[in-house]
Amino acid sequence: DAGITQSPRYKITETGRQVTLMCHQTWSHSYMFWYRQDLGHGLRLIYYSAAADITDKGEVSDGYVVSRSKTENFPLTLESATRSQTSVYFCASTITRYTGELFFGEGSRLTVL
Amino acid sequence: AQTVTQSQPEMSVQEAETVTLSCTYDTSESDYYLFWYKQPPSRQMILVIRQEAYKQQNATENRFSVNFQKAAKSFSLKISDSQLGDAAMYFCACMNYGGSQGNLIFGKGTKLSVKP
Repeated sequence: DAGITQSPRYKITETGRQVTLMCHQTWSHSYMFWYRQDLGHGLRLIYYSAAADITDKGEVSDGYVVSRSKTENFPLTLESATRSQTSVYFCASTITRYTGELFFGEGSRLTVL
Repeated sequence: AQTVTQSQPEMSVQEAETVTLSCTYDTSESDYYLFWYKQPPSRQMILVIRQEAYKQQNATENRFSVNFQKAAKSFSLKISDSQLGDAAMYFCACMNYGGSQGNLIFGKGTKLSVKP
């Protein structure tokens, strides 16, 4: 019963480096999301995906890239990390957009020096 | 655009007492869902309770209940008989029914402390 897993859980990188955060779910949920959590901002949507090969931008997508070649995987890439991207990143999934119940991973804490 | 506002950054409650967390929201849609999520120190977000906007009856889940005031766009969470394990960040969230994204708009959260 793995559910939804994120890796790495913790990552320290330097400004300008490329970083990829992985997200894997075992439920075959259609919808997947990436949020970032920052103090004073709650959770903000970065990208979402309605199905494999279908992705779209959220509220704070600048500087991020996603792909979804397989239903179960939804990696998030920071092409050139900046200090403002220091945050906790959450991946989530749901089987249908009509219930709103998201299942979250445990989060990935990224520090950009 | 949807917005969700939690006006209480921090709250404190004595163990076994009752506490109410406030949330107001704004949406132009007539059909939507409202949620309370809990984030304990382990960081993983857990759904506490859900309310469909078309339902007049307030949702309840064991010790957790909501006071949904649709006209006032208010959605407060009441925790009865508070336990030490209730200490966490609580996020209010809103989702438009049938929206293309299926994603939630979150408030900034309320940190709840439970005193023994």
